[in-house]
Amino acid sequence: DQQVKQNSPSLSVQEGRISILNCDYTNSMFDYFLWYKKYPAEGPTFLISISSIKDKNEDGRFTVFLNKSAKHLSLHIVPSQPGDSAVYFCAASELRYRHRFQGGSEKLVFGKGTKLTVNP
Amino acid sequence: NAGVTQTPKFRVLKTGQSMTLLCAQDMNHEYMYWYRQDPGMGLRLIHYSVGEGTTAKGEVPDGYNVSRLKKQNFLLGLESAAPSQTSVYFCASSYGGVNQETQYFGPGTRLLVL
Repeated sequence: DQQVKQNSPSLSVQEGRISILNCDYTNSMFDYFLWYKKYPAEGPTFLISISSIKDKNEDGRFTVFLNKSAKHLSLHIVPSQPGDSAVYFCAASELRYRHRFQGGSEKLVFGKGTKLTVNP
Repeated sequence: NAGVTQTPKFRVLKTGQSMTLLCAQDMNHEYMYWYRQDPGMGLRLIHYSVGEGTTAKGEVPDGYNVSRLKKQNFLLGLESAAPSQTSVYFCASSYGGVNQETQYFGPGTRLLVL
């Protein structure tokens, strides 16, 4: 049973426009969410995160929105650039692991990824 | 500061052979992880470690063993490789404290089992 879902395997946008990548989750205990970007033949790199106490976090062209009632988060990239073309993974971590290990959660649950293509 | 490194980058094995994948991190992270990535499956956690000398099973641990003898190293072993273990393997590490969930990934090891 997938706890983190990225229902769009791919997304194509024009350079300069907004890219919106979506992620849904089913586990209400998730309290920290991250987005990773992955280029071919490279490891995933951390992009941006958000705690469940917030509903928005911005970092330059990247903004993550969290809607806890809908169990939905989204990543907005504005403006999109060709270099943003990559696979984007949504990930979530669960509160009970944080307590159990006296601090940080040791497990991230990943979605299957969305391949973003930004056309020049 | 190299971050997370993985050895080897690519390997071809025959069914039944064994091998060890090495992960090293120089960020003094407490937590380390091994994932596999398969087409259409995202990243799945194989094993992880919350400190030197500790290991635990993740989502897909069968057929793999791990060891964390030194804080900076995390080894993933395949005792008898099977074609189903053909995948790209990623190691990651994190600090592990509260609000320190961000994991930093290595470049991956591509394994082909014939």
